[in-house]
Amino acid sequence: DIVLTQSPGTLSLSPGETATLSCRTSQRVSNGYLAWYQHRPGLAPRLLIYGASSRASGIPDKFSGSGSDTDFTLIISRLEPGDSATYYCQQCYSSPLTFGGGTKVEIK
Amino acid sequence: QVHLVQSGAEVKKPGASVRLSCQTFGYSFSDYYIHWVRQAPGQGLEWMGIINPRGDATTYAQKFQGRVTMTSDTSTSTVYMELSSLRGDDTAIYHCARDVRQKLVRGAESWGQGTLVIVSS
Repeated sequence: DIVLTQSPGTLSLSPGETATLSCRTSQRVSNGYLAWYQHRPGLAPRLLIYGASSRASGIPDKFSGSGSDTDFTLIISRLEPGDSATYYCQQCYSSPLTFGGGTKVEIK
Repeated sequence: QVHLVQSGAEVKKPGASVRLSCQTFGYSFSDYYIHWVRQAPGQGLEWMGIINPRGDATTYAQKFQGRVTMTSDTSTSTVYMELSSLRGDDTAIYHCARDVRQKLVRGAESWGQGTLVIVSS
């Protein structure tokens, strides 16, 4: 199985700041197969990014994804209270389509 | 508008089976893969498997092989997920979700509301 390691585990930032989230994979993942999700408690997860850098429908440009091979990044700019959530990366390159352990973003 | 509606909460005893449904609306059912993802209390997201509603082809996570069966009914645009030999650690919220890309697997974009399954004696 491809293991996804997300860091940091928790990020505590102020409104207006920028969050940088990392996702490292244990094997190379083609760019077309890396996704990022936002998950707020009590709600269904929300797809933010697929194909490493393509925003899903309706996702604002404050969310951006980049990276390749084994090293991927999600950047959330202009943080707002509503961005408080756990963010997960997922590889869709090989079965099982594993998720990372998540990064919890807290807005001070 | 794409919409996925899941069946209601279930309470099951250890060793029993549960069958969850996920009815889809607003798009061509046969053209998009459906994922099943669960989240146990206090845990992260766990991918269980995927079904191609066109032809019922499935891929399951090794962890669930032999216990999970995913099927589809094109007449009602509904996908089903049955999990057998339930254990306490199967207590979780189970989500179905449609893939973002037609005929490809790139990420789960449209999600059902989730079904709570509690396994308890």
